[in-house]
Amino acid sequence: DTAVSQTPKYLVTQMGNDKSIKCEQNLGHDTMYWYKQDSKKFLKIMFSYNNKELIINETVPNRFSPKSPDKAHLNLHINSLELGDSAVYFCASSQAGTGHGYTFGSGTRLTVV
Amino acid sequence: GNSVTQMEGPVTLSEEAFLTINCTYTATGYPSLFWYVQYPGEGLQLLLKATKADDKGSNKGFEATYRKETTSFHLEKGSVQVSDSAVYFCALRGQGGSEKLVFGKGMKLTVNP
Repeated sequence: DTAVSQTPKYLVTQMGNDKSIKCEQNLGHDTMYWYKQDSKKFLKIMFSYNNKELIINETVPNRFSPKSPDKAHLNLHINSLELGDSAVYFCASSQAGTGHGYTFGSGTRLTVV
Repeated sequence: GNSVTQMEGPVTLSEEAFLTINCTYTATGYPSLFWYVQYPGEGLQLLLKATKADDKGSNKGFEATYRKETTSFHLEKGSVQVSDSAVYFCALRGQGGSEKLVFGKGMKLTVNP
């Protein structure tokens, strides 16, 4: 019944590896997002997709590539992981044009060693 | 661009104390305003929201009023509980269908018995 679900919840990997985080929402929303939360709890948007189309792409290294196969899914692939990529990554969804807030997933804690 | 400035903590209170977390914003037009809460080890949950000037959002004993004249959305609770210990984020979503949610830096609250 989870509205926005992310997998995995925890991810520990070595520098240089490639990894993916998956996100799915069953709310019928048309827009999905990826946020990064650093060690100081600061939240910064990375990407946003509306109906599978990229609409927000903040200043994020090219090693990060989002993919949206349909409007209910938004995955995040990260190539050549670096120590500085260690953070908690949150997926979220919303319905465009409503002025409502976002519904967030429970987060994926990525640790690069 | 849109931005949110909120009190930075951490803040420690005793149970039943009064809580105020200040939040001011910069935005064009009429944004929607939100307070999110993040309990330890969890994702973000929407606590309350207000979508137009003078609206008051309330939930779980917390309340905040959208003040356009002072561009503020301060969060208050009359009597905090230990279970309110969390990180609180003020956020803004601008007008327009694809406007992103912009967060303040978050404030960690610890309530002691």
